Amino acid sequence: DAGVIQSPRHEVTEMGQEVTLRCKPISGHDYLFWYRQTMMRGLELLIYFNNNVPIDDSGMPEDRFSAKMPNASFSTLKIQPSEPRDSAVYFCASTRGVGADTQYFGPGTRLTVL
Amino acid sequence: AQSVAQPEDQVNVAEGNPLTVKCTYSVSGNPYLFWYVQYPNRGLQFLLKYITGDNLVKGSYGFEAEFNKSQTSFHLKKPSALVSDSALYFCAVRAGNTGFQKLVFGTGTRLLVSP
Repeated sequence: DAGVIQSPRHEVTEMGQEVTLRCKPISGHDYLFWYRQTMMRGLELLIYFNNNVPIDDSGMPEDRFSAKMPNASFSTLKIQPSEPRDSAVYFCASTRGVGADTQYFGPGTRLTVL
Repeated sequence: AQSVAQPEDQVNVAEGNPLTVKCTYSVSGNPYLFWYVQYPNRGLQFLLKYITGDNLVKGSYGFEAEFNKSQTSFHLKKPSALVSDSALYFCAVRAGNTGFQKLVFGTGTRLLVSP
């Protein structure tokens, strides 16, 4: 298996622009997570899905952030409008929701908002 | 609510020496405990986990961790460090209840192994 795939790997944009991050989970995994990593806050869980349904979005910082999962093999995290404080590395992870739920992470998208 | 503490921001060790990266946790009920490693510009990689059974868990790359219930700790260890072990290490915990539970990650400990 190719593992969790994220695109783009790097994104540089200007404040106010819309940003869309993409994730393809591991086939057969029914849970998908979006995390954000910064030096100040460490690793934060933003939202997670089970069987394509958002379960907990309490970590989403504000209404500028939205996430969708239209099918089992694709999810997006959108920021509109983007701000400099959104600069971070965004990770997607997936797992099968049985047993101990080991999560498998993608390589991340490094977002820079100027 | 569950939580994880990694008391050391950085651990320095010479190559060939044993290493320990500390983790303590707080959770209701029995814990599921994990260690992940993150190399520069990469995602987190799973190292090992404790669910039940033997308190000493062996994982990838020669790492092991010891679950200590009385001290609520799950320290990561390796008998002989390699320069290539230099990375950021995260401890994580979830409650071992039935059904899905979120993972809570620690703040990470940077391991620096010098030649």
